[in-house]
Amino acid sequence: NAGVTQTPKFQVLKTGQSMTLQCAQDMNHNSMYWYRQDPGMGLRLIYYSASEGTTDKGEVPNGYNVSRLNKREFSLRLESAAPSQTSVYFCASTSQGAGTEAFFGQGTRLTVV
Amino acid sequence: QKEVEQDPGPLSVPEGAIVSLNCTYSNSAFQYFMWYRQYSRKGPELLMYTYSSGNKEDGRFTAQVDKSSKYISLFIRDSQPSDSATYLCAAHGGATNKLIFGTGTLLAVQP
Repeated sequence: NAGVTQTPKFQVLKTGQSMTLQCAQDMNHNSMYWYRQDPGMGLRLIYYSASEGTTDKGEVPNGYNVSRLNKREFSLRLESAAPSQTSVYFCASTSQGAGTEAFFGQGTRLTVV
Repeated sequence: QKEVEQDPGPLSVPEGAIVSLNCTYSNSAFQYFMWYRQYSRKGPELLMYTYSSGNKEDGRFTAQVDKSSKYISLFIRDSQPSDSATYLCAAHGGATNKLIFGTGTLLAVQP
């Protein structure tokens, strides 16, 4: 099993450009999450999807949109990238219910110039 | 204010020392409390989790949760250089199913 797969691994964008980060999991998990990680800031929740068909804002949703395409896939879109969105982005998934282990992808390193 | 606050560190200890890592949280709906370990340029991996208040031990690691004071702790006994990593506390639960992390503490265990 691949677990949680994120694409791309690296990306450089110019200010104002748009892009979509893709995430897919093959563990039949219900809940999926997008985080960004910046030095000294830990993992900050951007958006999450508790189950297929639902999405909710997290701690830092401004400048982002998400789509839960189906149970496997949860994408994150930057409509107009800004230098402040330079970060490492992680996707994670958990099975139904609280307390279950979250599995993370390998991360996407995004630089906005 | 973050719902989960963590002592930022960094923390440097000699090999064999006892390490104490601490977090607090503000959302009473959280029921599950976790510690993740993250090595450089990797995604976090679950180390331990605890449901509600109490202690949980796994080898050299002990996780404690005190819901009355909203305090989360991780103790590492006989620390090893291989324990050097960033440790992140996390809280999960309630109607929203949010999973919120602290800022992480970078631990360095010196041989």
